[in-house]
Amino acid sequence: ETGVTQTPRHLVMGMTNKKSLKCEQHLGHNAMYWYKQSAKKPLELMFVYSLEERVENNSVPSRFSPECPNSSHLFLHLHTLQPEDSALYLCASSQDPGGLSGANVLTFGAGSRLTVL
Amino acid sequence: AQKITQTQPGMFVQEKEAVTLDCTYDTSDQSYGLFWYKQPSSGEMIFLIYQGSYDEQNATEGRYSLNFQKARKSANLVISASQLGDSAMYFCAMREGVSGNTPLVFGKGTRLSVIA
Repeated sequence: ETGVTQTPRHLVMGMTNKKSLKCEQHLGHNAMYWYKQSAKKPLELMFVYSLEERVENNSVPSRFSPECPNSSHLFLHLHTLQPEDSALYLCASSQDPGGLSGANVLTFGAGSRLTVL
Repeated sequence: AQKITQTQPGMFVQEKEAVTLDCTYDTSDQSYGLFWYKQPSSGEMIFLIYQGSYDEQNATEGRYSLNFQKARKSANLVISASQLGDSAMYFCAMREGVSGNTPLVFGKGTRLSVIA
């Protein structure tokens, strides 16, 4: 496996369910991200983990709970979601060598399409 | 205020022709980076090209080039010799500052359709 892998690719859940999205990167990167992509809106950053520590939260509702157990894996735990949470959730990773590194590129997975009924 | 503005919701181009996708940005930082990503219907965001604010030359990557006009704060993507496989959503993004882990901010995207 190469790149960034997201599972499941599609998920349908009720508002009372608990589910998790999984992301795995095989690139040796040291930072991972969750983005939300809703129809007709720009990608919204949800969470950033650098060296397994959360560095950005962006005021995401607590019904979304991230977990980064190691530098290769990132989870997004979902509970009591709302229909407006239906979206494509994209995971990305990057390698920040530090210093003047504004050019580091995010590598994205194919996304998990979530539908909340 | 929006940091990244893409004014073209949709564009059509004939196969083998060139097309320009517009992007303007807003920042008060002197150091920043500009990115273009392609998102086919499969969903994956694919990195295309990068331009740093201090780069004097316009970035080029194969059929992709970035028309960087710093004074106008524009970073248009030019795709030459369009192919049917270029049909996708295209997103412009910016990272402000020099830290590599400052998040990318994306525009709303432009849907490009290449016609045979």
